[in-house]
Amino acid sequence: DAGITQSPRHKVTETGTPVTLRCHQTENHRYMYWYRQDPGHGLRLIHYSYGVKDTDKGEVSDGYSVSRSKTEDFLLTLESATSSQTSVYFCAVSSGGPEFFGPGTRLTVL
Amino acid sequence: DQQVKQNSPSLSVQEGRISILNCDYTNSMFDYFLWYKKYPAEGPTFLISISSIKDKNEDGRFTVFLNKSAKHLSLHIVPSQPGDSAVYFCAASGNFGNEKLTFGTGTRLTIIP
Repeated sequence: DAGITQSPRHKVTETGTPVTLRCHQTENHRYMYWYRQDPGHGLRLIHYSYGVKDTDKGEVSDGYSVSRSKTEDFLLTLESATSSQTSVYFCAVSSGGPEFFGPGTRLTVL
Repeated sequence: DQQVKQNSPSLSVQEGRISILNCDYTNSMFDYFLWYKKYPAEGPTFLISISSIKDKNEDGRFTVFLNKSAKHLSLHIVPSQPGDSAVYFCAASGNFGNEKLTFGTGTRLTIIP
């Protein structure tokens, strides 16, 4: 347990609505990541952060934005949710080396 | 372009026997490799890692082997236990773990009692 919490743990929303997922860590890791997991695709990186206010895109960043205003919080926003964004979202943290994952958020977009 | 490949989506092994999970990579800049285990409805859990300066790393029942010339790594679990039933992800990184990870698609391991 790397002191990572994700909220909400489950969410059902409608197409076109904005959604924000939150990742919170308690161990002061420098790097934070957002992944999505889908059948047949494994874990794909959406966005990551290497410090407060420093973020960069991953391989599947279209339709997502992130913000990191404090070391401990990393927010993932879907500006206008689509059905293709139905997935399980994982936050991860690291200080170099292994990444440690949160418990996940299951998002369903109807 | 899948830079980390796990070509076996599933594997079944008898309890007590050896489980061998395989992973191939294509990017020669990768020099740090990891295995994660994932149970349903939980986040992935880090299992074991290896850097390219070694060809083997062992931690209890888990051993990872790295063959750099073949760009291949494998995870051996001996002996296999029912609690090992999970999805296993291989991951790779450059700069000895200081770059972001690239994951494979996972292998579902089922241990048969």
